[in-house]
Parts: sequence; C-alpha cells; structure tokens
Amino acid sequence: GAVVSQHPSRVICKSGTSVKIECRSLDFQATTMFWYRQFPKKSLMLMATSNEGSKATYEQGVEKDKFLINHASLTLSTLTVTSAHPEDSSFYICSVSGRRGEKLFFGSGTQLSVL
Amino acid sequence: SQQGEEDPQALSIQEGENATMNCSYKTSINNLQWYRQNSGRGLVHLILIRSNEREKHSGRLRVTLDTSKKSSSLLITASRAADTASYFCAGQDDSWGKLQFGAGTQVVVTP
Repeated sequence: GAVVSQHPSRVICKSGTSVKIECRSLDFQATTMFWYRQFPKKSLMLMATSNEGSKATYEQGVEKDKFLINHASLTLSTLTVTSAHPEDSSFYICSVSGRRGEKLFFGSGTQLSVL
Repeated sequence: SQQGEEDPQALSIQEGENATMNCSYKTSINNLQWYRQNSGRGLVHLILIRSNEREKHSGRLRVTLDTSKKSSSLLITASRAADTASYFCAGQDDSWGKLQFGAGTQVVVTP
C-alpha cells in the first residue's frame, strides 16, 4: 500500500490568513489525490480531486477560489485555505488512490483552527 | 453527498463480545469498503467487497453485501479494547478512487 504523509498535523491561525496543507505520497507516484473535510463526529466530505499537472475537480458547493489545490508533482498535492475564517475550522484529510483505483490510503489529517 | 447511512451511530460493548454495524447506500456501486478511524487520525482501509461478492472475511472481520437491499454489514468478532474507533463504510462507483462515505459508527470496547 501507499504511505501518505500530511503536514502539518495541527495549525492555529488568525482569521484572514491563508494556510497551506501538504500531502505527500512517499512510496507511490500518485496521479490522483483526494481532499476530504471532516467535522467533529461526522463523516468525510469529498472536497476535490487533485490531478497531477492539471486543474483540480471540485465537488458541488466547494469554492475553488477558497480552497486552492495544486498538484505539481506525482508525489505532492497542496491545499491552501485562503483568507481563512472560523467556519473553515475543520479536520482536513488527503488520500491517495491505490494502483487499481480502488482502496484509498489516507494521510493522518490536519486539524485547522481559525481564531 | 454522503453515500450511506450507518446503524448504529454508536456502539458500546465489552471485550470479547462481537460488534455488528450496518450500512445502507443509495446508488449502484462497484465495490463497498470499510475503513477505521482512530480519534483525530486518518482512515485505515480494512476490507473491500465487490458487488458480485456476498461475504468476505479478513481475520476477525466479516463483511456481507446485499446489493438487492443496497446494504452491507461489518462484524468484528472477539472485540478488543484496541478496536475502539469509528468505522465508516464507503461505496465506490466507476470513478477512479472516488469514494462516498457513510456517517460512521463509533465503537467503544471496554476492558
């Protein structure tokens, strides 16, 4: 399986600032990565599909200008929460699809708290 | 949108007992998967069952799939305190890697 590293694990920022979250596939070239958002005691909501070398595909209702995704290489995708506000506080998790496009391998998540 | 609903939302059992949780989904799927999440962590893949399969085992895990009822169940036998976690089902259609997750069942196993 793939090993996925996500950084940082926790970030606290002031309202109005931007926060970048990195997701690295350490042992697998990932042409596709996925970004999920999770509220406390809730399920995962797919935000966007990150495609290497092309624009990300966003799910309905997710603001692409708010959540900027860059997938510049086969091992790195980044999610930037721009001009963060308290309602953006959440747990963000990235994942990599396995070779057959079936099971996902997840990063350890990033807890974002916007003050 | 979420694929499935899970039942129960929370489950509290003692070590050694079996834990059963159910998942229903709405759209057609190629496979259904179960994941485990420890508090504040990422998810770990447990088991995958394909749409043409009815039952699958992996260690202490047993998964069933009923495509006519659009439902699946996960059974953890002889539970341990270390099984304490949230468990999510996720359906996959034809989209590469794209999963829709259910609401999850929070399982607490007390020693």
